[in-house]
Amino acid sequence: GAGVSQSPSNKVTEKGKDVELRCDPISGHTALYWYRQSLGQGLEFLIYFQGNSAPDKSGLPSDRFSAERTGGSVSTLTIQRTQQEDSAVYLCASSLEKRQETQYFGPGTRLLVL
Amino acid sequence: GESVGLHLPTLSVQEGDNSIINCAYSNSASDYFIWYKQESGKGPQFIIDIRSNMDKRQGQRVTVLLNKTVKHLSLQIAATQPGDSAVYFCAELEGGSRLTFGEGTQLTVNP
Repeated sequence: GAGVSQSPSNKVTEKGKDVELRCDPISGHTALYWYRQSLGQGLEFLIYFQGNSAPDKSGLPSDRFSAERTGGSVSTLTIQRTQQEDSAVYLCASSLEKRQETQYFGPGTRLLVL
Repeated sequence: GESVGLHLPTLSVQEGDNSIINCAYSNSASDYFIWYKQESGKGPQFIIDIRSNMDKRQGQRVTVLLNKTVKHLSLQIAATQPGDSAVYFCAELEGGSRLTFGEGTQLTVNP
């Protein structure tokens, strides 16, 4: 596609429910990243996928957070037993394989946990 | 107008003025830096990047300056326009492929 797409654009859920957020990277980009952005804050790294290598999960804040990337393309970020502090914008980015390549961001999913 | 990174998170300028947004980065081993612009309700948008073997890079109306001695990065926007109003983030590539972002500076351009 022309850019990184994410769905849903907005998600409202109740505390304790599970949510799944989807990211479609730019075609041909082998690297995919998830970030979290709380209101008025900078971006917090969550997880990074590069090709078939094991993902870098070092930014995931708790074991309630997990992500997978199927077929080297689409990625799903899952948050189990959501808490109110999980409310944030979840941003996905993709880049070409090489390390110093620009990351291109999607529009984000705005998650609100009530 | 001039912002000093994290300590002055807002910058207000008049349309047509030049803007300077500053950023202090943390890791002397970082070798790649990017400036992103984020408008309300949107994801960050790439503006300009610079590698550590350079100290200046120019784009269209924007210039990035890198001072590795003091670990300082700045973004200069010439002839600032209302459409430049946004939050601007600097990011550094420390190792692997993880970008670390600063907290951002809110730029407001007054007509």
